Amino acid sequence: EADIYQTPRYLVIGTGKKITLECSQTMGHDKMYWYQQDPGMELHLIHYSYGVNSTEKGDLSSESTVSRIRTEHFPLTLESARPSHTSQYLCASSEFRAGKNIQYFGAGTRLSVL
Amino acid sequence: QKEVEQNSGPLSVPEGAIASLNCTYSDRGSQSFFWYRQYSGKSPELIMFIYSNGDKEDGRFTAQLNKASQYVSLLIRDSQPSDSATYLCAGNRGNEKLTFGTGTRLTIIP
Repeated sequence: EADIYQTPRYLVIGTGKKITLECSQTMGHDKMYWYQQDPGMELHLIHYSYGVNSTEKGDLSSESTVSRIRTEHFPLTLESARPSHTSQYLCASSEFRAGKNIQYFGAGTRLSVL
Repeated sequence: QKEVEQNSGPLSVPEGAIASLNCTYSDRGSQSFFWYRQYSGKSPELIMFIYSNGDKEDGRFTAQLNKASQYVSLLIRDSQPSDSATYLCAGNRGNEKLTFGTGTRLTIIP
């Protein structure tokens, strides 16, 4: 299993603020992901990375940006938070097991933008 | 049509009975399927995955895949109150990305 750490767990912030959601994993996994999940809704992939200096946008358009300067670190940034960004953000990393990429999730950051 | 569809529930099952969770998918290119359990306010945790037609058993859990019918299911035998959670089905086309359903909320009634 992967040890994936997300901080903060909860964040309440005002409109227009810049925020960075942190995600770190200690297993040396190359592949990492950011998902957005609203209550009762499915997880939507917003960003992913196959390794250092590799980032791609996911299936759901997002105003956030990501960076991957180190293997273990995959932060997500919102330059100017808006109420529409209120959601839960889940970070994941994956390992190759039994011929499949298995994704493991962090505890998530619940973001509220007022 | 969503790529992965699940009955949102809630599904209520008496303790000790078999809980049956169903999932259908529209993308015939999907190669493997994953079942995650998500407790309220928590992150998803992997229960099991399946990629071959037929059944795959792990303890009280059995995953079933029928590619011809584009149907995946998860059976939980001897249901326990601790099994009460939302169960997420996800499909994968052989690349690195998963497509999730909305999840089925399961409640085990003592």
